[in-house]
Amino acid sequence: LAKTTQPISMDSYEGQEVNITCSHNNIATNDYITWYQQFPSQGPRFIIQGYKTKVTNEVASLFIPADRKSSTLSLPRVSLSDTAVYYCLVDLGSNYQLIWGAGTKLIIKP
Amino acid sequence: NAGVTQTPKFRVLKTGQSMTLLCAQDMNHEYMYWYRQDPGMGLRLIHYSVGEGTTAKGEVPDGYNVSRLKKQNFLLGLESAAPSQTSVYFCASSYVVGDIQYFGAGTRLSVL
Repeated sequence: LAKTTQPISMDSYEGQEVNITCSHNNIATNDYITWYQQFPSQGPRFIIQGYKTKVTNEVASLFIPADRKSSTLSLPRVSLSDTAVYYCLVDLGSNYQLIWGAGTKLIIKP
Repeated sequence: NAGVTQTPKFRVLKTGQSMTLLCAQDMNHEYMYWYRQDPGMGLRLIHYSVGEGTTAKGEVPDGYNVSRLKKQNFLLGLESAAPSQTSVYFCASSYVVGDIQYFGAGTRLSVL
């Protein structure tokens, strides 16, 4: 049974790079990994998605090692407004299973 | 373009009462989902739909029913509410499974 594990919380400072890792098992080569951001009293919002190696967009990067047992969300030069809860989602496309992590509460300090 | 709209935003029920939560999306998405989120926890999938007229059970379906009579709407029903169903409920939609999910703002439900 697939499962994801994330750190419960992390602290960092403005201007720093933040890396949040999600551990997952039993995922296939083409299963997508997606990261979402959630602010209080709002629904989750898409950040980045990928299924291999490295993906980068205007707000983040996603790194997936060759063994695919984990993925890392990288947020460059964070600001106070990046304080939020971050969730990883593994989509087991072949089984219509969506495996959500429990979320990482990221607190950015001035 | 409203995206995903959930109604109501807040609701308080007494144990045993019934209610229906409505989710509407205007993006012509095939897939729709209902999640619950309990304090300090992640999202748990209740039911989902892969297209108009179809529904399927997710991780925690007991005590809930759903219907997808129209492509743009996905209804979540509680036939006999229980305090354990106190939670925040989120609806989401996507083009296909594995695609980006777009979420509504949530419905905060308290069952007394």
